Amino acid sequence: NAGVMQNPRHLVRRRGQEARLRCSPMKGHSHVYWYRQLPEEGLKFMVYLQKENIIDESGMPKERFSAEFPKEGPSILRIQQVVRGDSAAYFCASSPELKEPQHFGDGTRLSIL
Amino acid sequence: QQQVKQSPQSLIVQKGGISIINCAYENTAFDYFPWYQQFPGKGPALLIAIRPDVSEKKEGRFTISFNKSAKQFSLHIMDSQPGDSATYFCAASRGNNRKLIWGLGTSLAVNP
Repeated sequence: NAGVMQNPRHLVRRRGQEARLRCSPMKGHSHVYWYRQLPEEGLKFMVYLQKENIIDESGMPKERFSAEFPKEGPSILRIQQVVRGDSAAYFCASSPELKEPQHFGDGTRLSIL
Repeated sequence: QQQVKQSPQSLIVQKGGISIINCAYENTAFDYFPWYQQFPGKGPALLIAIRPDVSEKKEGRFTISFNKSAKQFSLHIMDSQPGDSATYFCAASRGNNRKLIWGLGTSLAVNP
């Protein structure tokens, strides 16, 4: 059973470009969470989605960031007009049911030039 | 405001020793407390988790101790091995949302 798959593993963008991060949850998992990790810091919650629905986006910046989890295909975290401060590791986690443990992917390292 | 406070920031232990990492939380509504292990370049991996209805949970060399009245919980790694060298994170969540609130991490080094 494949784990949570995130791609790309590394992404380099110039300021002002768009970044699209993909997350394929484990098979049978319908709950997806996105977290951001800055260097030498813990993870910060961004958004929680369940198939086609955003359940909690309280950790998402109000502008430039959006997330989706369509009925078919991976979850996408989209960052428009990236700035240097967006440089971080972005992790996706999934779980089969609400109260089951979250399993993490190996993240996407986003670097902004 | 850090809702989950973790200490120490770094820890060095000799092989075979006991590693102890502590966390304290503010929100009494938290009802799920996991510990994750993270190696460089990898995502966090769940080690062990506890709910507040028990005071201790053991899985192999890993034990969580939970003190509800003090709002504290700790991870004990018995017989620490060099392969345990990693960053450890405590976290907490509550209710029907399950978004994890994380500590800042402890970098553990186990000397051979």
